[in-house]
Amino acid sequence: DAGVIQSPRHEVTEMGQEVTLRCKPISGHNSLFWYRQTMMRGLELLIYFNNNVPIDDSGMPEDRFSAKMPNASFSTLKIQPSEPRDSAVYFCASSPGGTGSYEQYFGPGTRLTVT
Amino acid sequence: DQQVKQNSPSLSVQEGRISILNCDYTNSMFDYFLWYKKYPAEGPTFLISISSIKDKNEDGRFTVFLNKSAKHLSLHIVPSQPGDSAVYFCAGLSSNTGKLIFGQGTTLQVKP
Repeated sequence: DAGVIQSPRHEVTEMGQEVTLRCKPISGHNSLFWYRQTMMRGLELLIYFNNNVPIDDSGMPEDRFSAKMPNASFSTLKIQPSEPRDSAVYFCASSPGGTGSYEQYFGPGTRLTVT
Repeated sequence: DQQVKQNSPSLSVQEGRISILNCDYTNSMFDYFLWYKKYPAEGPTFLISISSIKDKNEDGRFTVFLNKSAKHLSLHIVPSQPGDSAVYFCAGLSSNTGKLIFGQGTTLQVKP
């Protein structure tokens, strides 16, 4: 298996522009997670899905952030409009789900720079 | 409220010696603890875990110890190798929520 796939790997955009980050989880995994890593806050969970349904979005910083999972093999994280403070590395992770299957497998991340 | 804390931002050890990475937590609802390792420009990779009902779990050179009364866990790497140089994250999981809460990470440098 190719593991969790994220695109793009790097994104540079200007303040006010819309940014869309993409994730393809590992086939067969039922849970998908979006994280953000910054120097100040470390690795923080933004939102997670179980069987394509958003379960907890309490980590989403504000209404400018939205996430979707239209099917089991694809998810997007959108920021509109983007701001310089959104600059961070965004990770997607997936997990088999179910009792005892708690390990999360991370993608390589998308480094976002908002100027 | 930081539920998982790694108070040492960095650690440097000599190749062949033991590396000990520490982690403290405040949330009594965690029922699993996981350690992840992260190289630059890569995502974190799972290393080892321990259930809250255990006090030790060993996998090759890696051993995790859990002291529930002190709300403290540690990762021991013996012997340390230069390839172990990375950022190590401790995380707590409550199976009720399915959420991993990560510490800030500790950067380990193993010198040849």
